Amino acid sequence: QQQVKQSPQSLIVQKGGISIINCAYENTAFDYFPWYQQFPGKGPALLIAIRPDVSEKKEGRFTISFNKSAKQFSLHIMDSQPGDSATYFCAASNPNFGNEKLTFGTGTRLTIIP
Amino acid sequence: GAVVSQHPSWVICKSGTSVKIECRSLDFQATTMFWYRQFPKQSLMLMATSNEGSKATYEQGVEKDKFLINHASLTLSTLTVTSAHPEDSSFYICSASTDRGDTQYFGPGTRLTVL
Repeated sequence: QQQVKQSPQSLIVQKGGISIINCAYENTAFDYFPWYQQFPGKGPALLIAIRPDVSEKKEGRFTISFNKSAKQFSLHIMDSQPGDSATYFCAASNPNFGNEKLTFGTGTRLTIIP
Repeated sequence: GAVVSQHPSWVICKSGTSVKIECRSLDFQATTMFWYRQFPKQSLMLMATSNEGSKATYEQGVEKDKFLINHASLTLSTLTVTSAHPEDSSFYICSASTDRGDTQYFGPGTRLTVL
């Protein structure tokens, strides 16, 4: 019940296109859903996060769509650029009840081709 | 803001020696710090959670006597890999969260290679 399932495992998108990564969770107690971007040999960097009281959050070219009833959330990268090539992890936690531990998805390796 | 540093960024040691990795929150006080391990092309695996001034809470399957964690202040946590062996070679990453407790900020990671 603690799992977060992420797909696809890898994704190739043409420059300027839209990259979409999906995650699904089972634990309805999860209350915080961040996305992290990780470049090779570096630590993950927080990209954008959402709480379930909103269905969408946008920051620049990055948008999280959240479907509470389906227990799914996704990351959309608009106008994808070669510099976006990285591994993306979705995650979930329940910080309101003192459980800050993040449950991570398995990651998506995104490659943006010219 | 919310910068987390790790030192060293990489370390090579001989089998049987101990290695200490430092994790610092540079511009905020971290009430909670987390230690993760990541193998190539895999996700992050939480090893332990530490709160300042108290004992760390280890995840199932993580040997607390092998991976010693000390959270001595609100800005510093250390992970000591004792009697390291080649199978301990991995990428170790720490993260820190603030009082609010939702967002975790990650350090740049430490690459440990045990010969």
